[in-house]
Amino acid sequence: GAGVSQSPSNKVTEKGKDVELRCDPISGHTALYWYRQRLGQGLEFLIYFQGNSAPDKSGLPSDRFSAERTGESVSTLTIQRTQQEDSAVYLCASSFGAGVRSYEQYFGPGTRLTVT
Amino acid sequence: GNSVTQMEGPVTLSEEAFLTINCTYTATGYPSLFWYVQYPGEGLQLLLKATKADDKGSNKGFEATYRKETTSFHLEKGSVQVSDSAVYFCALSSGQNFVFGPGTRLSVLP
Repeated sequence: GAGVSQSPSNKVTEKGKDVELRCDPISGHTALYWYRQRLGQGLEFLIYFQGNSAPDKSGLPSDRFSAERTGESVSTLTIQRTQQEDSAVYLCASSFGAGVRSYEQYFGPGTRLTVT
Repeated sequence: GNSVTQMEGPVTLSEEAFLTINCTYTATGYPSLFWYVQYPGEGLQLLLKATKADDKGSNKGFEATYRKETTSFHLEKGSVQVSDSAVYFCALSSGQNFVFGPGTRLSVLP
């Protein structure tokens, strides 16, 4: 079946511009996560959606970052007024859910963002 | 809060050497534990998992045992190959909280 897809795969933007990154989770997965991975570093949690519950935004680094998700489908991560330190690979993952049982996450290929 | 600690990399081994990558965790309750692998230029993939104490996860010759008494989930492989060169991430999941370690880069030389 189809995995998690992300678009675009690469994005080069000028400092100060806004960018929008898209994630299509696996059908039926109620949980969706966004992470940031800077070059040579680990995963930095950004935001988590679970069904219709309020998202966990505790990882967003500043108010320039926001994300939306429509129901249990597509999610978009928006970065306003991009800065060079925003350059990274942005990873999206989805899972069947969360709660008492812990489900593994399935990752998309990522969007490589370069801010010049 | 929950956290995962991994051994510092990079780790460089010769082909057919024995591999251990240490992982310890701090968590409340009874988390599930995972190892993910990221091959060069690719996304993260689940390598193996264990959902309760004393469970052993295994895949592609890799193994890890969930040790609650030592809060550890060390990754092992008896004979590594050049194709195992990648970054390995230990992770835990406790309810909706999912935490990754910083990753350990493994390079296997022919």
